[in-house]
Amino acid sequence: GENVEQHPSTLSVQEGDSAVIKCTYSDSASNYFPWYKQELGKRPQLIIDIRSNVGEKKDQRIAVTLNKTAKHFSLHITETQPEDSAVYFCAASKANAGNMLTFGGGTRLMVKP
Amino acid sequence: KAGVTQTPRYLIKTRGQQVTLSCSPISGHRSVSWYQQTPGQGLQFLFEYFSETQRNKGNFPGRFSGRQFSNSRSEMNVSTLELGDSALYLCASSLQGQAYEQYFGPGTRLTVT
Repeated sequence: GENVEQHPSTLSVQEGDSAVIKCTYSDSASNYFPWYKQELGKRPQLIIDIRSNVGEKKDQRIAVTLNKTAKHFSLHITETQPEDSAVYFCAASKANAGNMLTFGGGTRLMVKP
Repeated sequence: KAGVTQTPRYLIKTRGQQVTLSCSPISGHRSVSWYQQTPGQGLQFLFEYFSETQRNKGNFPGRFSGRQFSNSRSEMNVSTLELGDSALYLCASSLQGQAYEQYFGPGTRLTVT
């Protein structure tokens, strides 16, 4: 089955700096890659996603890049703010597997003011 | 639109008992997926229902089961509870049936003693 690895497991940055979280996947049939943000005690929240026919997608301070050949995708957060502190999860879903998501292990991002 | 809701939010059960958790998807969403979240194993896919049919099932024992009703509401059941079943159980709903945006509910925190 699909395997998604996520790095780093923890990331500490200064407010205003950029943060990058990387994920690799194993199944070349995967074609949908969402990112979720989970604050302490809250539900995972979809923040951005990308499909395999697109190389990059941006939404304000957040961007995701996808390299299908290398089977990896990354989340980029610019101008980080304390409210960006949370656990971020990447996930992958493949064609003909419905909405089944395989998640990475998560990255705890801490933004220091 | 109202978001995904789950009941109950918290539950304490004893080993050997059984439990039923409920999930109401966003209005109009026909796909409901269930995930187990634990500190050790992260987010793991349990199963997905679409139009009352189970489409995918994760690598969990047969003690874990579910169903979906004609109004898209879903329930999951865990029989013969074990201490290791203690976890946050999340459901997510999606408008479409294939690799599409999923929105999570707040989860049910199950503690097995």
